[in-house]
Formats: sequence, structure tokens, C-alpha cells
Amino acid sequence: KAGVTQTPRYLIKTRGQQVTLSCSPISGHRSVSWYQQTPGQGLQFLFEYFSETQRNKGNFPGRFSGRQFSNSRSEMNVSTLELGDSALYLCASSLGDHGYTFGSGTRLTVV
Amino acid sequence: GQNIDQPTEMTATEGAIVQINCTYQTSGFNGLFWYQQHAGEAPTFLSYNVLDGLEEKGRFSSFLSRSKGYSYLLLKELQMKDSASYLCASEQAGTALIFGKGTTLSVSS
Repeated sequence: KAGVTQTPRYLIKTRGQQVTLSCSPISGHRSVSWYQQTPGQGLQFLFEYFSETQRNKGNFPGRFSGRQFSNSRSEMNVSTLELGDSALYLCASSLGDHGYTFGSGTRLTVV
Repeated sequence: GQNIDQPTEMTATEGAIVQINCTYQTSGFNGLFWYQQHAGEAPTFLSYNVLDGLEEKGRFSSFLSRSKGYSYLLLKELQMKDSASYLCASEQAGTALIFGKGTTLSVSS
């Protein structure tokens, strides 16, 4: 079966711009969670969506937001980009049974 | 901030055994995951522990002590391809996964 698909794989944006990242979960998975990975901080939890509702949220500013559609695909948006937002953004999908499968990520570079 | 602690780096030789330790906060704890991540790739699932004890899966084993907030990943018969980052993550109430910063394992011949 197809894995978790994240698009785009690479992205370069300028400070102050906004960006939208997409995640398509494994078919049948209703939970999607998002993480930011940087060399200094490791993987940090952003938020989790289940059946179109945000179920949990990490400690990130309001510039980071997300949503989930009825087909379980999820998007995350970062507004007013800062240099420190440069990172690998990973999403993981789950049936809700503790089995989290990660996508290959979107590498965002803010210049 | 992070409430999961694991060593930053470890080195070992081919054929050896290595143990990567991880401590976590016990409040709201549901279960403990280990993931392997090669540079530039997605994390891949290695193990999940929810009960105390040792879970063995081929060359990899994972141990959990809920009362001590402690886990370890044991890698036997190390191979060069085991050189990667190993991520300890706890599933806690109110979040999906909380990760440690990862342990970079270098296996040399």
C-alpha cells in the first residue's frame, strides 16, 4: 500500500512569506500529526488532527496552523516566515492504534 | 521543552552490541517508541513498549520500566548499515509523540 506522501519535498521561501505544506496519509488512517525537525532541537510536536479536528497542539506560536480535510489529507501553514523556521517538517499518519508511519518530509529553507 | 533524555552520540564496531538508554517523564505516559532515522530519510518504526519488560525483534530488542521512566534499545551483531540516528519517543496524554533529540550511532569496521 502507498505510504505517507508529503509535498513538496523541498521549498525555499523568503522571510515574511507564508508557506503551505501537504500530507496525504496512508489510506484508512484518520490521524495525522506534524513535527518540526532541526539539528538543535530534534523532532518537536506541532499538532495532531483526527477526523478533521485538531486533537492536540504543541508549543509553537500561532503562525503555525493546520487543518485536515474529509479525505484525511492534512495541510500545515506557516505565516510570516522567520529564518528559524528553516527545518525538516515531517508528518505521520496513524490508525489511532499507536502505529505512527512517517512521510519523507518537506525541507523548508527560509532565506 | 524536551522531557526525554538520551545520549547524543555513540560509537561501536561491527559485530558488537550497543545499548542506547532513554529516560522520560512518567506523568501521562502511554507508551514508548524507538525509531531509526538515516540521514535525509524518514524515521522508521523499530519498536513500541507499553508494558514493563523486554521485547525482542531479531537483532533489535527494547526494554521498558514504567516505574523508573526508563527504556533502552539493544542492538546486537552490529552492521555498518546500523549507522543512523535512533530516536526515543514517548506517547503522552495531550500529545501525539514527544521525541528525544536522538542518538547518532556510528558503526565502524
